[in-house]
Amino acid sequence: EPEVTQTPSHQVTQMGQEVILRCVPISNHLYFYWYRQILGQKVEFLVSFYNNEISEKSEIFDDQFSVERPDGSNFTLKIRSTKLEDSAMYFCASRDSTGAYEQYFGPGTRLTVT
Amino acid sequence: ILNVEQSPQSLHVQEGDSTNFTCSFPSSNFYALHWYRWETAKSPEALFVMTLNGDEKKKGRISATLNTKEGYSYLYIKGSQPEDSATYLCAFAHRNSGNTPLVFGKGTRLSVIA
Repeated sequence: EPEVTQTPSHQVTQMGQEVILRCVPISNHLYFYWYRQILGQKVEFLVSFYNNEISEKSEIFDDQFSVERPDGSNFTLKIRSTKLEDSAMYFCASRDSTGAYEQYFGPGTRLTVT
Repeated sequence: ILNVEQSPQSLHVQEGDSTNFTCSFPSSNFYALHWYRWETAKSPEALFVMTLNGDEKKKGRISATLNTKEGYSYLYIKGSQPEDSATYLCAFAHRNSGNTPLVFGKGTRLSVIA
């Protein structure tokens, strides 16, 4: 069964460093998302991406964040200069253009900023 | 601000017990309500997507109901098994848009004791 994959599963970085989180969405999907969950809090929407551009972003998704689909399979989230408060589990999701808009999630990348 | 609330936060039941938990969401601008099952270190797994008031969906021992007029959904598990132990997330989509981000509740953590 097709699935969304994410790498790495855990990333530790120092404050101020750049990180890139990688996702491979399901191959025939057209809509892509990043969410995050800070420990003990709700899963929060960051950004959605369609047709090679950002279609919606939340207040969290400031200038420090960017997304890219560099080729036909990968979808990346970059944080330019990480802060302690960026420590969270980051989930990628994708969906196709049909049905009830069910979003399929990857297993997440746990980012720890020290 | 869209807010999704789930109760209880956590639940411990004996194997064989039936259980249920609640998700409440805004009743205006409703489009869809999603239930996910999330085990640690795995991808959140889609259980149900419900769009119509009065919807009832079933998958094995798990079922869900939807009341869009009053803004709540129930998830039921009949005859709980240890493998049902997980966090159950509900997520609300508030408009009919391909890129609609999901708004999540905090989840109900279920532990089934053998």
